[in-house]
Amino acid sequence: ETGVTQTPRHLVMGMTNKKSLKCEQHLGHNAMYWYKQSAKKPLELMFVYSLEERVENNSVPSRFSPECPNSSHLFLHLHTLQPEDSALYLCASSQDLANEAFFGQGTRLTVV
Amino acid sequence: GEDVEQSLFLSVREGDSSVINCTYTDSSSTYLYWYKQEPGAGLQLLTYIFSNMDMKQDQRLTVLLNKKDKHLSLRIADTQTGDSAIYFCAESSGSARQLTFGSGTQLTVLP
Repeated sequence: ETGVTQTPRHLVMGMTNKKSLKCEQHLGHNAMYWYKQSAKKPLELMFVYSLEERVENNSVPSRFSPECPNSSHLFLHLHTLQPEDSALYLCASSQDLANEAFFGQGTRLTVV
Repeated sequence: GEDVEQSLFLSVREGDSSVINCTYTDSSSTYLYWYKQEPGAGLQLLTYIFSNMDMKQDQRLTVLLNKKDKHLSLRIADTQTGDSAIYFCAESSGSARQLTFGSGTQLTVLP
């Protein structure tokens, strides 16, 4: 248990659906991250938030929309996804940007 | 962009030592990390090394860093079946100090 909790653990959605992934940490960390893990590819950093402000957006399609309402919660809103978006989505947090990251268990997303 | 490379697979016998290798390209890397991912789970931080260190030992784990060659290795002594997992090398650099990960090495421990 790393202290970073993601829900749901598994999600199946159609291409016309809208859903949200949730990440929560009570470690007192100031930075939170979304990563995408696809089969046989390196982990891809999607978004970085520091003190609730987005500091990094790595050319992610607009069908992925992050939200960080406070330093403990991070959401990833999904709409009109494509089958190739099926992957494991990992949330992480760190004390600050320069510190090691702790990961959640991930949400296994399948787009049908 | 910056790159981190690892071999995809490694098989060892139980009780032997495992050595997982990683190369990276960013000369400004400050921290280098090893993460472990078991099936169906997120990434678990195993250990990390600061770029001005050559070696770090933590129980069965030994990390070696050759900064000149940009080569990082993780040695697991007395490998057990519970060590079977994917091991990710990562380096930290950039203005946001984001992690750049390798593709992971699938370690299989044979009885």
